[in-house]
Amino acid sequence: GAVVSQHPSRVICKSGTSVKIECRSLDFQATTMFWYRQFPKQSLMLMATSNEGSKATYEQGVEKDKFLINHASLTLSTLTVTSAHPEDSSFYICSAIPIPSGGVDTQYFGPGTRLTVL
Amino acid sequence: GQQVMQIPQYQHVQEGEDFTTYCNSSTTLSNIQWYKQRPGGHPVFLIQLVKSGEVKKQKRLTFQFGEAKKNSSLHITATQTTDVGTYFCAGSRHNSGYALNFGKGTSLLVTP
Repeated sequence: GAVVSQHPSRVICKSGTSVKIECRSLDFQATTMFWYRQFPKQSLMLMATSNEGSKATYEQGVEKDKFLINHASLTLSTLTVTSAHPEDSSFYICSAIPIPSGGVDTQYFGPGTRLTVL
Repeated sequence: GQQVMQIPQYQHVQEGEDFTTYCNSSTTLSNIQWYKQRPGGHPVFLIQLVKSGEVKKQKRLTFQFGEAKKNSSLHITATQTTDVGTYFCAGSRHNSGYALNFGKGTSLLVTP
């Protein structure tokens, strides 16, 4: 149980275009999902917290107009990278905390999306 | 803001040797979690520690949470090649539903 999927797994796009990444909890509901970015051989950096039915909370230094987050339902959050540039190329990973959490804040991670901007 | 430091960055051991990675936070944590990421994979939850001084074991893995809830360690006894990967600690200052601050991870390489 507690499976999180991401789509697409890999995407290559041209500079200036927008890319949408979906994060779905397949067998549980989540009011909170998180979006992380991981550069090669580096740790996960939190970008934003996605809250169902409300605006996302962005970390300092993350442009909310560039990384649009929509948490449309209890099982789906989307991240749209707008006007992508080569420096946006990275591994984007989402995670979700099931409700109810049972007192353990385990975050279940999706398999990640590899974005390459040419 | 809260920072989670993790050392060492890399560790190369012979199969059968022990391995330890250490995690330190600049602030008191509500809980600390450990994840393992295999090369090319995504982080997989290993364990959560909540109580001051807590020690938990999973087969050859021993996890400790410091008395001050600012540091933690993961110790692997008699490493195996299947232990290869990057081990991340992640701390939360809040009780629930909050994002984690990840350490930079320790990459473990085990050679037979």
